[in-house]
Amino acid sequence: KQEVTQIPAALSVPEGENLVLNCSFTDSAIYNLQWFRQDPGKGLTSLLLIQSSQREQTSGRLNASLDKSSGRSTLYIAASQPGDSATYLCAVEVNYGQNFVFGPGTRLSVLP
Amino acid sequence: DTAVSQTPKYLVTQMGNDKSIKCEQNLGHDTMYWYKQDSKKFLKIMFSYNNKELIINETVPNRFSPKSPDKAHLNLHINSLELGDSAVYFCASTGGPVGDTQYFGPGTRLTVL
Repeated sequence: KQEVTQIPAALSVPEGENLVLNCSFTDSAIYNLQWFRQDPGKGLTSLLLIQSSQREQTSGRLNASLDKSSGRSTLYIAASQPGDSATYLCAVEVNYGQNFVFGPGTRLSVLP
Repeated sequence: DTAVSQTPKYLVTQMGNDKSIKCEQNLGHDTMYWYKQDSKKFLKIMFSYNNKELIINETVPNRFSPKSPDKAHLNLHINSLELGDSAVYFCASTGGPVGDTQYFGPGTRLTVL
């Protein structure tokens, strides 16, 4: 059974810092991995999607990497801003169908 | 333009009642999902519908039943509501068979008293 974990559970940084969020999954048989952002009381917004054959994806200040064999992904946020404050979730799409397994999320606070 | 919409946003009801949550997507997607996010913020998939066919049912109680009148809608019916059903329910959709980005609705916060 696929399990997804995220470290740290919460992170507080001053504005301008670069930071890394970590995601681990137990079964490397995945179609893809996605990083989402969830603001309080809101739905999820997709940030980056990495297919299983890819190593990384970039969008603006965000860079996500995927090491499928070791079951790890990282989300790198450059030059963090207070507007980046949110909960970040990773999810893997598992191979036996359109089933997504989510991690518990990392709650990020960027202080001005 | 709202891609994935849900109604209502908030739902407060008594134990034992039957309620429905509606979901609509205007993205032309083939697959829609229902997720439950509990008080600990853990998001778990409940159902997936592809072209009006149920393809995943993550062992949720049979009090929960998804209904898809057409490709753009996936409604969630809940019978005999229990206290433990209180959570935020999210609808989502994807376009491709696999490997596509999910688009989420804003969520429906269900409170069972």
